[in-house]
Amino acid sequence: EAGVAQSPRYKIIEKRQSVAFWCNPISGHATLYWYQQILGQGPKLLIQFQNNGVVDDSQLPKDRFSAERLKGVDSTLKIQPAKLEDSAVYLCASSLRQNTDTQYFGPGTRLTVL
Amino acid sequence: AQSVTQLDSQVPVFEEAPVELRCNYSSSVSVYLFWYVQYPNQGLQLLLKYLSGSTLVESINGFEAEFNKSQTSFHLRKPSVHISDTAEYFCAVSEGNSGNEKLTFGTGTRLTIIP
Repeated sequence: EAGVAQSPRYKIIEKRQSVAFWCNPISGHATLYWYQQILGQGPKLLIQFQNNGVVDDSQLPKDRFSAERLKGVDSTLKIQPAKLEDSAVYLCASSLRQNTDTQYFGPGTRLTVL
Repeated sequence: AQSVTQLDSQVPVFEEAPVELRCNYSSSVSVYLFWYVQYPNQGLQLLLKYLSGSTLVESINGFEAEFNKSQTSFHLRKPSVHISDTAEYFCAVSEGNSGNEKLTFGTGTRLTIIP
């Protein structure tokens, strides 16, 4: 069974530029999550999708971050414009249904904002 | 609001010695508890979880954790560690029956096994 795929693995940009991350969840998983993990901290949920609908985006900085999940499968997370404090690893995870199901994580995208 | 505290950011342990990684949580409702592990250069993966029933849960590689409601703890233990246990361990909590059981993670404990 293929795992959660993410790309790119690394990205370096300058502040005020835009960037996009892509995630392909495990086939058949209805729930998709994007987390931000700043160095020395645990992952923080940014947004949760159930199929292609948003369940929770309470911690998503909506003035600069946006995310979509087209057709309830792949998802993209965009930052525009980026700030220095956005430097982090962005993790995508998926699960069959809800949070009590095991979440399977992708390898992450390490973003450095200069 | 739920929160998780992992007081130990780094724990060095000699090979074959026992280890305990501490996790305390704060929540006003019933909870689900998880331990995730991140091996070097790999993604996060579930180690074990408590949803209900027996308060002692075990993983396939010898770790166990006990849910203690009175102490609001979910400490992770292993009686004898191996070099391959070197990793970062994250405790996480989800509030049960809230309608949106999102995970809140602790800051992680880096376990280093000394040969």
